[in-house]
Order: sequence, then structure tokens, then C-alpha cells
Amino acid sequence: GAVVSQHPSWVICKSGTSVKIECRSLDFQATTMFWYRQFPKQSLMLMATSNEGSKATYEQGVEKDKFLINHASLTLSTLTVTSAHPEDSSFYICSARDRRQGSSPLHFGNGTRLTVT
Amino acid sequence: AQRVTQPEKLLSVFKGAPVELKCNYSYSGSPELFWYVQYSRQRLQLLLRHISRESIKGFTADLNKGETSFHLKKPFAQEEDSAMYYCALTGRGSARQLTFGSGTQLTVLP
Repeated sequence: GAVVSQHPSWVICKSGTSVKIECRSLDFQATTMFWYRQFPKQSLMLMATSNEGSKATYEQGVEKDKFLINHASLTLSTLTVTSAHPEDSSFYICSARDRRQGSSPLHFGNGTRLTVT
Repeated sequence: AQRVTQPEKLLSVFKGAPVELKCNYSYSGSPELFWYVQYSRQRLQLLLRHISRESIKGFTADLNKGETSFHLKKPFAQEEDSAMYYCALTGRGSARQLTFGSGTQLTVLP
């Protein structure tokens, strides 16, 4: 089945540094990928929609200059948390849809646990 | 705006008992509804979708447009059903992003 690989699985960084999270679709191409954030014991909140070859669409309240998204190819989207602060500590999950199947469900990565000290 | 509500954060049932996880939604058009499941230490995965009208692992869910509900049901719960369940909705827009409910942690007791 379709697999989405997310890397790293966990990362600890110091306040003020930047962290990049990669999301790859391994056996399918995705024109659209989605980035979610999940706080402890809460639901997944959509942060932004990543579109291949164009700018990402951010949800209300998500700072685009802080959460940089790049979707350079049909199999890779990256989320960079810039100048990270402790309040950015969270679980970040990406998902992707096979471009050949417009109505197919999303496939999820395993998530990245970010801890900012 | 689209919204998904799962009123129960935690649900415990005994093995062999019926289980129902509630989901209500709010959407102005015709949504597509899904149930996703996350087993311990595994990624989120699709359990079923309303347009397929299928039964997966004994689970079924019927879309009730009148009550705007998409409750997940299983007549006889098994211990391996213990997991976090998320109800999700997508609209008909071009991006088709998912909106998730807050999730229900199901525990099936022996």
C-alpha cells in the first residue's frame, strides 16, 4: 500500500534554532500534502496545505514565516520550524494523497515529535 | 466552516460487547466522512469511508444526513480494537483537506 515516510521521528532542539521535517511519499506521487499539528490529548489541527510547485496555503492563525513549507517535488514536502520556541514543541504529522486517485483517502506519516528546550 | 465533534474522549467496553463511537459533523454542503484509527505506536490509518459503505474489521458507519452523524459501530468488540479513533470530514473543494474530531480512545477490556 501507499506509504508516507516522515523524518525525523523525533528531534530535540534549542530555542532559537530551526528544524526541518521531511515528508516523502514513497510509492506514489502527491501534488498535495498536508501538515498537521497535534498537542497532547488533542486532535490533529491542520496547519497548511502544501502544493507542489506553488506556495502553501496556511490555515488561519498559522504563521507562514515561522512554519516554512516547501513542496519541491511530487514526492517531497518539507516543514521548517524557524527560530523554534518551547511553545512550538508538539507532534507534527504530514499526509499525502495519491495524485492518480483524486478521491482517495489520505496516507499519513508516522509523525515527528519536536521538543524545543 | 466544517467541524467534527466526537463527544467521548474515552470509552471502555468489555470484550464481546457492542461498541458505538459517536461522531457528529457540521458542513454546509455534501461532505465525505471517514474514520481513522491509530493503534498504539502506529501511524494514523484509514479505517473506513462512508462512500465505500463497507465493513472493515467488523466496523460499520452509516452517514445520517438528517442527524449529521457518522457513528462507528461494531457488534462485538475485541481487545485488539483498543485504539484511538478519529472521525474526519472533507469537503468538495479542490484541496480536500481533512478536518478531524478530537478523537475517542477506545479500550476493550478482557
